[in-house]
Amino acid sequence: AQSVTQLGSHVSVSEGALVLLRCNYSSSVPPYLFWYVQYPNQGLQLLLKYTTGATLVKGINGFEAEFKKSETSFHLTKPSAHMSDAAEYFCAVTGTSYDKVIFGPGTSLSVIP
Amino acid sequence: EAQVTQNPRYLITVTGKKLTVTCSQNMNHEYMSWYRQDPGLGLRQIYYSMNVEVTDKGDVPEGYKVSRKEKRNFPLILESPSPNQTSLYFCASSLRGGAPGELFFGEGSRLTVL
Repeated sequence: AQSVTQLGSHVSVSEGALVLLRCNYSSSVPPYLFWYVQYPNQGLQLLLKYTTGATLVKGINGFEAEFKKSETSFHLTKPSAHMSDAAEYFCAVTGTSYDKVIFGPGTSLSVIP
Repeated sequence: EAQVTQNPRYLITVTGKKLTVTCSQNMNHEYMSWYRQDPGLGLRQIYYSMNVEVTDKGDVPEGYKVSRKEKRNFPLILESPSPNQTSLYFCASSLRGGAPGELFFGEGSRLTVL
């Protein structure tokens, strides 16, 4: 069965510091992987996705993630945190059946001035 | 503007009083889905629909009903709400044939059942 784990329910970084949010997945089929971001009182929006091809994926707002099959990981990074990055981040995986998207529990990112 | 619209955004109700949360999308998406979001659990899928008149259970369907009579609408029905259905609900849609799992979300409906 497919599943997603996110290490750390809360992460705090200083403004300008590296952001690293961890995601590991379990999938019985080649996975499609996603990061979604949820700002306060809003719905989720897609940050970036990996389907096939290049394993380093760039998304919006300077975020990127690298698919590492051997480690079953899809960690999210950003070189320099900005105050506006404070939000909840969800990693998600779907199989090629398309009918399900499995979300991780989420990581709340705080950015300290 | 492309969007998924949910109503109501906030609702307080009492146990057993039937309610419906509406969801409408204007992107001609075939796939629609309902999720509930609870602290520490992320989003869990309640029901989904691959197309008109085609619906299927997600991971937590108990206590909920859905219908898909029109492509754009996918209402969530709580026939007899209970306090354990207090949650934040999201409707989402996706273009079938596009990248699997790329979902467009509504802004959420916060439901409290007393």
